[in-house]
Amino acid sequence: DTGVSQNPRHKITKRGQNVTFRCDPISEHNRLYWYRQTLGQGPEFLTYFQNEAQLEKSRLLSDRFSAERPKGSFSTLEIQRTEQGDSAMYLCASSSWTVATNEKLFFGSGTQLSVL
Amino acid sequence: EDQVTQSPEALRLQEGESSSLNCSYTVSGLRGLFWYRQDPGKGPEFLFTLYSAGEEKEKERLKATLTKKESFLHITAPKPEDSATYLCAVQARQGGSEKLVFGKGTKLTVNP
Repeated sequence: DTGVSQNPRHKITKRGQNVTFRCDPISEHNRLYWYRQTLGQGPEFLTYFQNEAQLEKSRLLSDRFSAERPKGSFSTLEIQRTEQGDSAMYLCASSSWTVATNEKLFFGSGTQLSVL
Repeated sequence: EDQVTQSPEALRLQEGESSSLNCSYTVSGLRGLFWYRQDPGKGPEFLFTLYSAGEEKEKERLKATLTKKESFLHITAPKPEDSATYLCAVQARQGGSEKLVFGKGTKLTVNP
């Protein structure tokens, strides 16, 4: 399977605990994005990386959220001191971007987080 | 602030009954308008990108069109396998942001 892979698929945690999600993008893709989606809503942008550099963060991303992409390969998204409002599907996407090409995002199947 | 409004929220069609989904947008200079399909429990799947008013793109039973204020996704003679949520998103030219701003989607159900 050469698509975007996300792990775990489901995560149940208690309020106040820390959680970490992993995303493995399509191997030749240089851009990696994190989005969050709640029921009945479209995905909301959180952050993106070009190679290992984090180039943009949404104002929605509080200090409790941190993302990394070491060596420009896989990425992790950590949420510290989880709150019930963090319950959502966390989607990762990747793309192969150049100045000449148009951006087409390939999404993974997401990690569904439930905070009890 | 960039906004995307999709209508209707839900649409039920009989197999073979053609219809259109609407996506109205306000954006500070449109860099691109995107259509995605999302099946339950899955991430969105790319369908089309449109860049300028008057542009049209087709794929099988789907055809996307773009004006200066809205986009339509026309579905011709749909089949049950076309059942999904269809998401519209815009990317702004100004501000240097790479984010896509999504609408809430239209949930399409095609009955056999």
